[in-house]
Amino acid sequence: GAVVSQHPSRVICKSGTSVKIECRSLDFQATTMFWYRQFPKKSLMLMATSNEGSKATYEQGVEKDKFLINHASLTLSTLTVTSAHPEDSSFYICSARAGDVYSPLHFGNGTRLTVT
Amino acid sequence: GNSVTQMEGPVTLSEEAFLTINCTYTATGYPSLFWYVQYPGEGLQLLLKATKADDKGSNKGFEATYRKETTSFHLEKGSVQVSDSAVYFCALSDPRTGNQFYFGTGTSLTVIP
Repeated sequence: GAVVSQHPSRVICKSGTSVKIECRSLDFQATTMFWYRQFPKKSLMLMATSNEGSKATYEQGVEKDKFLINHASLTLSTLTVTSAHPEDSSFYICSARAGDVYSPLHFGNGTRLTVT
Repeated sequence: GNSVTQMEGPVTLSEEAFLTINCTYTATGYPSLFWYVQYPGEGLQLLLKATKADDKGSNKGFEATYRKETTSFHLEKGSVQVSDSAVYFCALSDPRTGNQFYFGTGTSLTVIP
């Protein structure tokens, strides 16, 4: 149980276009989902906390208008990278908790974004 | 505040060698501790966890004991395999101080035949 599905796994887009990444909790409901960015050989950087039915909470230094997060249902959160540029190329990973605040995070398989 | 410090990698071991990856933490409350593993091109998978002092988490031959006195949660495996090659992340979560997870920088392990 506790499967988080992320789609697409890879995407290549041209500079200036927007890309949407979906994160679904397949067998549980998630009122909160987390979006991370991972740079090569670096740890995970928390970008934002996605809250179902309300605005996302962004970490300091993350541009809200560039990384749009929508959490419209208890099983789906989306991250849209708007007007993408090559420096946005990265590995984006979503995660969610399947249980209470003492339970672990479950991660999607990540999305490799390449902006050309 | 909360933070996790993990030993720098990369670590290269021969098959069947003993593995230790050190992890220490700083927390203001009573955190839960986790080890996650990331295989190339994939997301993170929960490897094991411990929720209170002296708990031992174990899975797939890996073990880690929650040591409050030394604020540590070192990952160990008695005999590594080539398939264990991955990046390992130590993490903590303290629900009393918020919903956030804190991750170490990750340790890359390569096991050679």
